[in-house]
Amino acid sequence: AQRVTQPEKLLSVFKGAPVELKCNYSYSGSPELFWYVQYSRQRLQLLLRHISRESIKGFTADLNKGETSFHLKKPFAQEEDSAMYYCALEDSGNTPLVFGKGTRLSVIA
Amino acid sequence: GAGVSQSPSNKVTEKGKDVELRCDPISGHTALYWYRQSLGQGLEFLIYFQGNSAPDKSGLPSDRFSAERTGGSVSTLTIQRTQQEDSAVYLCASSQPPLDEQYFGPGTRLTVT
Repeated sequence: AQRVTQPEKLLSVFKGAPVELKCNYSYSGSPELFWYVQYSRQRLQLLLRHISRESIKGFTADLNKGETSFHLKKPFAQEEDSAMYYCALEDSGNTPLVFGKGTRLSVIA
Repeated sequence: GAGVSQSPSNKVTEKGKDVELRCDPISGHTALYWYRQSLGQGLEFLIYFQGNSAPDKSGLPSDRFSAERTGGSVSTLTIQRTQQEDSAVYLCASSQPPLDEQYFGPGTRLTVT
């Protein structure tokens, strides 16, 4: 069965410090992996996806098939990065996403 | 253009009552998804509509839950005989194949007392 695991419920870092939000998945095929973000009082929105290999708001994520991981990283955290982050998996285009339980990132000034 | 909209934004109901939650997807989006966001449970898939195909109901937690999509646009999620464990935020999302980015609505917060 498909599963996405985000081991940290809460991650607190100081402003300017590096941040890494962990995501591991279990899936037998070649999934598409996403990071979604939900800022306070805003709707859930796509942050980035592994196939685009883009850096969005300074965040990057690399798909490691050997470790079945898709960790989200940013070298220097900003206060505006404080939000709820969800890792998600899709097994083929336009099908329901399987989400992890989310990690709340708190960036302390 | 307008994003995904949902109504009501908040709903408080008594245990045992039926509720209907509405989703208006982005115009032209043929795929529509319902998810449930519960405290400590993250986001769980409920049901998925794609064009005129039969919906994927595999995520519905019980037969008290049902959904329909009329005219390939607006969708209604119905919960019959609500229970306290149904309390959650119900999210709707839509996408337009082949682009598979899902756009989420603001959600409906359901509280069953």
